[in-house]
Amino acid sequence: DIQMTQSPSSLSASIGDRVTITCRASQDISNYLNWYQQKPGEAPKLLIHDVSTLEPGVPSKFSGSGFGTDFAFTISSLQPEDIATYYCQQYDDLPRTFGQGTKVEIK
Amino acid sequence: QVQLQESGPGLVKPSQTLSLTCSVSGVSISGGGYFWTWIRQLPGKGLEWIGYIYYSGSSNHNPSLESRVSISVDTSKNEFSLKLTSVTPADTAVYYCANGGSGVFHVWGRGTLITVSS
Repeated sequence: DIQMTQSPSSLSASIGDRVTITCRASQDISNYLNWYQQKPGEAPKLLIHDVSTLEPGVPSKFSGSGFGTDFAFTISSLQPEDIATYYCQQYDDLPRTFGQGTKVEIK
Repeated sequence: QVQLQESGPGLVKPSQTLSLTCSVSGVSISGGGYFWTWIRQLPGKGLEWIGYIYYSGSSNHNPSLESRVSISVDTSKNEFSLKLTSVTPADTAVYYCANGGSGVFHVWGRGTLITVSS
């Protein structure tokens, strides 16, 4: 299985801060990388697919980059509604696998 | 728009079979173009892909679940189902159904908590 490793596991930042989460794949996954947001008590929500393509309706403050094994997810200006756990997920190979999640909190 | 709704027993005894159904509205499964996926989230932990099925019945599942899992589709009812046999407390989780591509999960159900306990 392809292992997806996110860092950090959690972070605390101030309103307005730029926040970046990284995701590393255990092997080359090209651009087959998605990002999801999960708020407490809710189902995950797809924010970005194929590294950097935003889902319709997702604010442009969210962005993604990377290729191969190293990827990044950025929130340009953290807002209270962004408090959530974020997951990366690969679909280069079966089984599909997720990172362990990064919990984002307000400082 | 596409909406998904999981339904299940809530509580299952160890060694029994877990059966879940995902009811689909807003799109016809038989129309093709989408994969229908099951994903679970263990308590306080991350997400685990269980498997997917296409309207034709072609499916794939996570080898970690060995031969315990089967996924089926009923196009006449516009729903798809998950069966997981020989459950243990380690199968306690929130189970989600989702649709999209084979690896991109655009729409998710709200999830249903399944507890395995005697």
